[in-house]
Amino acid sequence: DVKVTQSSRYLVKRTGEKVFLECVQDMDHENMFWYRQDPGLGLRLIYFSYDVKMKEKGDIPEGYSVSREKKERFSLILESASTNQTSMYLCASGTALHTPNFFGQGTRLTVV
Amino acid sequence: KNEVEQSPQNLTAQEGEFITINCSYSVGISALHWLQQHPGGGIVSLFMLSSGKKKHGRLIATINIQEKHSSLHITASHPRDSAVYICAVRKKDTQKLVFGQGTRLTINP
Repeated sequence: DVKVTQSSRYLVKRTGEKVFLECVQDMDHENMFWYRQDPGLGLRLIYFSYDVKMKEKGDIPEGYSVSREKKERFSLILESASTNQTSMYLCASGTALHTPNFFGQGTRLTVV
Repeated sequence: KNEVEQSPQNLTAQEGEFITINCSYSVGISALHWLQQHPGGGIVSLFMLSSGKKKHGRLIATINIQEKHSSLHITASHPRDSAVYICAVRKKDTQKLVFGQGTRLTINP
């Protein structure tokens, strides 16, 4: 059974904290994605990676960075969490550029 | 205005009813996806369409490229179909996916 696994389902962090969201896939996919999902706005792409150490900004990269040191792992970093980053974060992976085929369960992050 | 609009935003129906969810888009596309998100949060890909119609079990997806419109139909709906259904289009110029805001479907027994 193929899997995209996000390290936490729920997370509560304080304003100003550095936050790491981890994602691991077991399908040997080149492409990995981080989205955030907010009511009424749908999924919005934060960053994606098409190879180890390669990354590209999505539509809303401000306030975020990413790391892809190994093919199977893609991390989203909030350098200094703010309340407007409270959201559902979804990781995905896929075989083709710009095509997320498999999604993780999501991390609901609350910044207080 | 969003490039992808879904309607309705919320839909409640009784078990057994025929369900239609609509997706309209305003950009040139190379493909359209329908996705399902259950309350737990995970998203599953249902269909990818570039023309015509696809069927999988009780789900049918259609697309009209000229009218820039797609529909997702569910026949003989069941409470387990309760989920958020998301339309996403692949833009022809950038090949990037743009997502609709989702339709929350609730099927009551």
